[in-house]
Amino acid sequence: GAGVSQSPRYKVTKRGQDVALRCDPISGHVSLYWYRQALGQGPEFLTYFNYEAQQDKSGLPNDRFSAERPEGSISTLTIQRTEQRDSAMYRCASSFGGGVYEQYFGPGTRLTVT
Amino acid sequence: AQKVTQAQTEISVVEKEDVTLDCVYETRDTTYYLFWYKQPPSGELVFLIRRNSFDEQNEISGRYSWNFQKSTSSFNFTITASQVVDSAVYFCALTFPTDSWGKLQFGAGTQVVVTP
Repeated sequence: GAGVSQSPRYKVTKRGQDVALRCDPISGHVSLYWYRQALGQGPEFLTYFNYEAQQDKSGLPNDRFSAERPEGSISTLTIQRTEQRDSAMYRCASSFGGGVYEQYFGPGTRLTVT
Repeated sequence: AQKVTQAQTEISVVEKEDVTLDCVYETRDTTYYLFWYKQPPSGELVFLIRRNSFDEQNEISGRYSWNFQKSTSSFNFTITASQVVDSAVYFCALTFPTDSWGKLQFGAGTQVVVTP
């Protein structure tokens, strides 16, 4: 596709449920990143991959959050046992090759935990 | 620890005025990359510019220009002859090797409001 795509665009879930957010990067982009953006703030790094290898997961808030990119393309961010504080915009980005290149962001998934 | 600061919360201008956005950062790294992103009311994050810390040459790209001064750890961004479509939140972001090359650290953003 022409840009980074994310699905679903909106997700409303009840506290305690698991959610899976999907990201499809720009074709040919080696690196994929996940960020979380609260209203009125800048994006906050969660994790990133080069190909299928998770390079840095230091931003994942706790062990309820995990991410994978098994074939080096599409990635899934999973949040288990969701809590209200997990409500935010989750953004995916991709770059040509590594973090020194500009990252192109997808439209985001707005997660609301009720 | 690295830190990126955008002290200006909001800037309001009338169309055709110039707008300069400030960004300062703290790091002990000598090599790093700097970026500016735009977030219009529609919500997407749009890449604008990328610079590396080796090159302090300031450039102009259309109505955008930037002033990188390593000595003062500042990376300011100017919109010349602003237009209503420039209304957005602008984020400065940096990536540092001692942290993680893949990790963009964003400032809090500056809201730019351009009125006709």
